[in-house]
Amino acid sequence: QKEVEQNSGPLSVPEGAIASLNCTYSDRGSQSFFWYRQYSGKSPELIMSIYSNGDKEDGRFTAQLNKASQYVSLLIRDSQPSDSATYLCAVNVPGTYKYIFGTGTRLKVLA
Amino acid sequence: KAGVTQTPRYLIKTRGQQVTLSCSPISGHRSVSWYQQTPGQGLQFLFEYFSETQRNKGNFPGRFSGRQFSNSRSEMNVSTLELGDSALYLCASSLSGTGNTEAFFGQGTRLTVV
Repeated sequence: QKEVEQNSGPLSVPEGAIASLNCTYSDRGSQSFFWYRQYSGKSPELIMSIYSNGDKEDGRFTAQLNKASQYVSLLIRDSQPSDSATYLCAVNVPGTYKYIFGTGTRLKVLA
Repeated sequence: KAGVTQTPRYLIKTRGQQVTLSCSPISGHRSVSWYQQTPGQGLQFLFEYFSETQRNKGNFPGRFSGRQFSNSRSEMNVSTLELGDSALYLCASSLSGTGNTEAFFGQGTRLTVV
């Protein structure tokens, strides 16, 4: 079982719709969760961090964390073609200074 | 505020050679982590440094090594290059590297081994 799992996609949504990206993790002790966006040929860019159960909103982005179910999700409202990218979920490894990344979900927003 | 700077951006090396990559973190950040990114494996953790000390190492062979200087700049070295070492090498800096601090990536160094 992979430590951090994401559906590779592509996830296609029409412009203006809500895109929902999901990530599950295996270590119940993980406390810190991050979403990164990576455009093709570029490096990952931090979108959001979340540490507590519940929702965290930042502009059009909402991160949701459910530690009991071991999943974290990212919602993108009013999706734009410029949101088309690969979204990476990262989870800390408890007791270390190490982060495990999922393989990413490729999002395509159709104009 | 300057971001994370990695040099060089691109490298082409021959099998058997060695290579050194450099990373300058965001000012004030003391933790630097290195990752290898390939299409098949995604982002794989190489190692993390804080105050010149390696605190964690990933599952890579000893050919991969690194160090950090007193100004927090970091270098990683790959010796006896293999074709499979072709990848995008990314460094990320954070204030402390602890679980609740955010990490920011540099633009990466794309290494091609021929």
